Amino acid sequence: AQRVTQPEKLLSVFKGAPVELKCNYSYSGSPELFWYVQYSRQRLQLLLRHISRESIKGFTADLNKGETSFHLKKPFAQEEDSAMYYCALSGQRSGNQFYFGTGTSLTVIP
Amino acid sequence: GAGVSQTPSNKVTEKGKYVELRCDPISGHTALYWYRQSLGQGPEFLIYFQGTGAADDSGLPNDRFFAVRPEGSVSTLKIQRTERGDSAVYLCASSLTTGENTEAFFGQGTRLTVV
Repeated sequence: AQRVTQPEKLLSVFKGAPVELKCNYSYSGSPELFWYVQYSRQRLQLLLRHISRESIKGFTADLNKGETSFHLKKPFAQEEDSAMYYCALSGQRSGNQFYFGTGTSLTVIP
Repeated sequence: GAGVSQTPSNKVTEKGKYVELRCDPISGHTALYWYRQSLGQGPEFLIYFQGTGAADDSGLPNDRFFAVRPEGSVSTLKIQRTERGDSAVYLCASSLTTGENTEAFFGQGTRLTVV
């Protein structure tokens, strides 16, 4: 069965400190992994996807198939990074719909 | 339109009533998804349309929930005999297609409160 696990509901870091938001998944096959972000009073929006191998707003995420993880990282957190982050997966075996984790609320302390 | 539009933004209804939630996707997007988000949870899949047909409705919790997309654009999620447990934010998303490099664009959601 498809499952996305985000073990941390809340995460607080100081401005300038590194941040890592954890995501583990369960999927039979080759999934596509995504990170979505929701800033206060805004809609859910795509942050990055593993297939693009890109860095967005200083964030990167590497798909580790051996550990079935897709952790989101940023070396120096900024106050504007405070938001709700959701890890999601999609794939043919999931009918191309998205499965989301329960989310991690990141607070960057000035 | 510029993005996915959902109406109403808020809906308060009495237990047992019928409600309709509307989603206007981005023009040209063939795929449309409905999700439900309860407090403290991530979005939970309900139903997915490819064009006019429901490609996957396995997430609908029971037969009180139904969704249509008659012309392959606007979609309506219908809930009959609402219950207090139906209270949640209902999210709609659309994407240009499915498969690799699919990006889903989300609406602001409709906050449904059943009293």
